[in-house]
Amino acid sequence: DTAVSQTPKYLVTQMGNDKSIKCEQNLGHDTMYWYKQDSKKFLKIMFSYNNKELIINETVPNRFSPKSPDKAHLNLHINSLELGDSAVYFCASSQVFGGTEAFFGQGTRLTVV
Amino acid sequence: GIQVEQSPPDLILQEGANSTLRCNFSDSVNNLQWFHQNPWGQLINLFYIPSGTKQNGRLSATTVATERYSLLYISSSQTTDSGVYFCAGMNRDDKIIFGKGTRLHILP
Repeated sequence: DTAVSQTPKYLVTQMGNDKSIKCEQNLGHDTMYWYKQDSKKFLKIMFSYNNKELIINETVPNRFSPKSPDKAHLNLHINSLELGDSAVYFCASSQVFGGTEAFFGQGTRLTVV
Repeated sequence: GIQVEQSPPDLILQEGANSTLRCNFSDSVNNLQWFHQNPWGQLINLFYIPSGTKQNGRLSATTVATERYSLLYISSSQTTDSGVYFCAGMNRDDKIIFGKGTRLHILP
């Protein structure tokens, strides 16, 4: 069983479209994250949720809106996609906020054309 | 904010060689982890090592929290070890901060 799963794995879309990436974890963790990996492989945190509540919101354009319907799910919705949004997006989870090991999903490669 | 520096940035080795990857952090971090990003892009957990030493097969890691560094040792390298190795730690704001990675290429 996959611990942290993201869908889709690949996403190619046109500029201006709206798209969503879904993430689910079956580890029973309280905390979930979204990370963005740029073309130089640098990983940077975007958001963190703890028990469905937003804890960390980095300097991310408000076109990006995370939604956590329950603590096992953290989805990422992106409006009005731009070329610069092309990247790999990783979802992650950890047992508690502020502690313990984090586990990452397989990533979603988003390409905006 | 906290800086996580990894060295070397790139490493090319012959199969069978040993290597040491280093991670320095500018301030105290918690929950230090090492990851391997394979050529398919997956981030694989190698070690959760806030302090001390751990071993898993050909890999081992040591974190000296008081001196703000961690080391990852890879012995008898195999081509499947190729990829990018990241260290990451949690800062005082509870954000997981990644280093820029060490790109390892193992030649057959």
